[in-house]
Formats: sequence, structure tokens, C-alpha cells
Amino acid sequence: EAGVTQFPSHSVIEKGQTVTLRCDPISGHDNLYWYRRVMGKEIKFLLHFVKESKQDESGMPNNRFLAERTGGTYSTLKVQPAELEDSGVYFCASSSLAGDHQYEQYFGPGTRLTVT
Amino acid sequence: DAKTTQPNSMESNEEEPVHLPCNHSTISGTDYIHWYRQLPSQGPEYVIHGLTSNVNNRMASLAIAEDRKSSTLILHRATLRDAAVYYCILKRAAGNKLTFGGGTRVLVKP
Repeated sequence: EAGVTQFPSHSVIEKGQTVTLRCDPISGHDNLYWYRRVMGKEIKFLLHFVKESKQDESGMPNNRFLAERTGGTYSTLKVQPAELEDSGVYFCASSSLAGDHQYEQYFGPGTRLTVT
Repeated sequence: DAKTTQPNSMESNEEEPVHLPCNHSTISGTDYIHWYRQLPSQGPEYVIHGLTSNVNNRMASLAIAEDRKSSTLILHRATLRDAAVYYCILKRAAGNKLTFGGGTRVLVKP
């Protein structure tokens, strides 16, 4: 079974540009989460989808960040326009709504975003 | 979310047990205790979780104090691959977000 995948693995953009990160969760997982770690800080929650609906977006830093999950499958996280402080590693995770493993979040390898 | 306190780092010798403590004195009755770890250049990985009783799985054991104000993750025989940052996290329900702290960086010496 494929794990959570994220694309790209690394992105380097200039300040003011737009970047879109993609996450493909484990097939069948209705919960999808975005987290990020900015330089020197702890991993922070951004938002949580249940299927295509935003369940909790309390961690989104500002309106330059837009997350979507059309159709309840893969998700995208767009940063527009990117600022220097957005640099960091963005992680996606997924989990099932029920069953023996519902308490486990499965993380992808992350996308390293560098804004110059 | 209730806060957890962990030592910044610990060292262990290969093939010896590692006991990672976590204090969570403000834990509520509905908080589950979760442990995740992050190996270098990878995303976090689920290790184990529990509510009141001690738990064992193929990766580790979780010992929970009777008053639930502390817990200990036990790696029975550390390998070099277990070198990672280990996070102790309290979480109310299955679908909720994870709140990461600084974790404990474990160094395994050959």
C-alpha cells in the first residue's frame, strides 16, 4: 500500500511568487492534515480536512495560504504571494475515520520550501 | 491542548533499553497519550498511544502512571535506526490535530 506522497520534494521560489504544494493521502483516508516546521521552530498544525470539508483551519497563518481538497482525494496548499518567513518544511498527513488505526496519522516526507 | 514536558536529549548504547519520560500534569480524563518519532529527513511516524493501561506493540511499550500525570516510552533494544526525535503528545480524539513540542532527541551509540 502506498504511503502519503507529497510533491514537489523541494521548491525554491522568489519572494512574491506563488507556489502550490500537493499531497496525496493514503487511499481511503478521509482525514487529511497539513503541518509545517519553519526554521528553528516546532512542527505546527495548519489545517484539517474531513473528506472535502475543512474541519479545522485554526492554524492557517494568514490569507496568503489557501488549501483545497476537491473531491475529497488529494489536497493542494497554495501560498500566494510567498514571503521569506514561509520557508520551511510542509508536511501532509492522513488518517482513517474509523477502524483499528484511526488514531494513527501517517505523514508524508514533506516539501521543503525555500523563499529567497 | 494540555502541555507535555520532555528532556531535550538522551543517549543510549546500541542494543540497550531506552526509557523516554514525559510529564503531563495537566492531562484531562479524555486525553490520549500519543508518541510519534521523526527520523532524519523524514516525516513524523506514529509509535504508540494509550489512555490508562500500559500498551505494547512491535515498536515499543508505553507505561502510564496510575495518576496519568506522566508516562514513559520504552524502546526495548535500541538500534542505530531508532536515532530520532521522539514526541509525546496529548490528543482528545481520533481525528484531532497533533500539537508537537520540542521532543527528545535520542542518540544511539554503537
